[in-house]
This record gives sequence, structure tokens and C-alpha cells, in this order.
Amino acid sequence: EDQVTQSPEALRLQEGESSSLNCSYTVSGLRGLFWYRQDPGKGPEFLFTLYSAGEEKEKERLKATLTKKESFLHITAPKPEDSATYLCAGTIQGAQKLVFGQGTRLTINP
Amino acid sequence: EAQVTQNPRYLITVTGKKLTVTCSQNMNHEYMSWYRQDPGLGLRQIYYSMNVEVTDKGDVPEGYKVSRKEKRNFPLILESPSPNQTSLYFCASSLWGSYGYTFGSGTRLTVV
Repeated sequence: EDQVTQSPEALRLQEGESSSLNCSYTVSGLRGLFWYRQDPGKGPEFLFTLYSAGEEKEKERLKATLTKKESFLHITAPKPEDSATYLCAGTIQGAQKLVFGQGTRLTINP
Repeated sequence: EAQVTQNPRYLITVTGKKLTVTCSQNMNHEYMSWYRQDPGLGLRQIYYSMNVEVTDKGDVPEGYKVSRKEKRNFPLILESPSPNQTSLYFCASSLWGSYGYTFGSGTRLTVV
């Protein structure tokens, strides 16, 4: 079964304390790996798409990387406004949907 | 501004009373989809549409209907809502089904 698993479920950091969120996937024929940010009560907001192992994308304090089995979202020197739930999703060849992980709830304390 | 618009944002209804949640996109996207989000279960696909008059079931279609008569609109219909359909619903659109989605702001539905 195609599956996307995120860890940890929740992460609490101090402002400026860098860390990484993990997304592992067991999907056959992965076509794309997506990262979204979701604030409480709002729709997911697109961050990155990664298509092949070794690819990296960056945006402000966030960097997403992809290997053959997993993706990481690295957050460098985070600020309180980076607090949100981060969702990972994969799409496979022939399927008309994104398969989402459960998300990591990130809290940055000032 | 490119966006997906859902209405209403909040809805409380009673069991069995038919309701429709509207979704509209202004990006000329071919693909549209409905997801529901529940604690511990994440986002699950309800229905999707590849184009006008082309719709198909997702992972949790029971109790829902959709239609795609125009490219920009993709309403979600609950003909006889039940309490287990209490959830946060999201509409999304994309250039095609395996591409990144643009999500709407969500509709929080409570069925009592």
C-alpha cells in the first residue's frame, strides 16, 4: 500500500534552534514529493515540489531534500512565525491524487 | 489573485438535511478534488475531477456526490448528512492530478 509517514508528530524548538522534519514514503513509481505548510483552520499552503533523488529546494529558512526513500525539511534558525503543521505528500504514476502524511506540528518558542 | 474559493467557511446542520459546499477556482485548472481532514487520519481524498463532466471516486466517497458542469466549479453535495461526516473539508485544484495543488481555505462542517 502506498504510504507516506512523517516524524516526529510534534516538535517544539526554541527560536534559532535548527532541526529537521522527516517524511518517508513507500510508494511505487513516485512522481513527485510535495511539502505544504498548514496553519490552524486554514488550507495547506504549497512550499516545495521535489521530483528526483538528490534534488534540493530552498525558501527563506526552509530547505527540502529528497532521497530514494525519504525527504527532509530542514529549518534553519527558526522564528515563532514558522510555527505550523508541515505536511508531506507524494504522488505516484497513474494516480490522480496526493497521498498525505499525518503532518508534523512544529512550535517555535520565542 | 489565483485562488480556490470555498463556501461556506462554517456550517452546522442536522442529520439528513441536504447541503452543498461550493468550490470555484480562477486558474483554469483541469483537475479539481475534494479532501476531508480528520484528527489522526490526515487528509483523505473524497472525489476528483479530471475535466468537465469527468469525475471519479477517491478513497472515501461514501455519502458524497460531486458534479463538474463548468471548468471552474466543483461542488460537493451531501444528500443526507450524518454525524460521521463532521469534518474539515478542502477543495483543491491543479494543472493535472499528479501536480501540486492549490487549496481552498476550508469548510468546517458539523452535523448534529
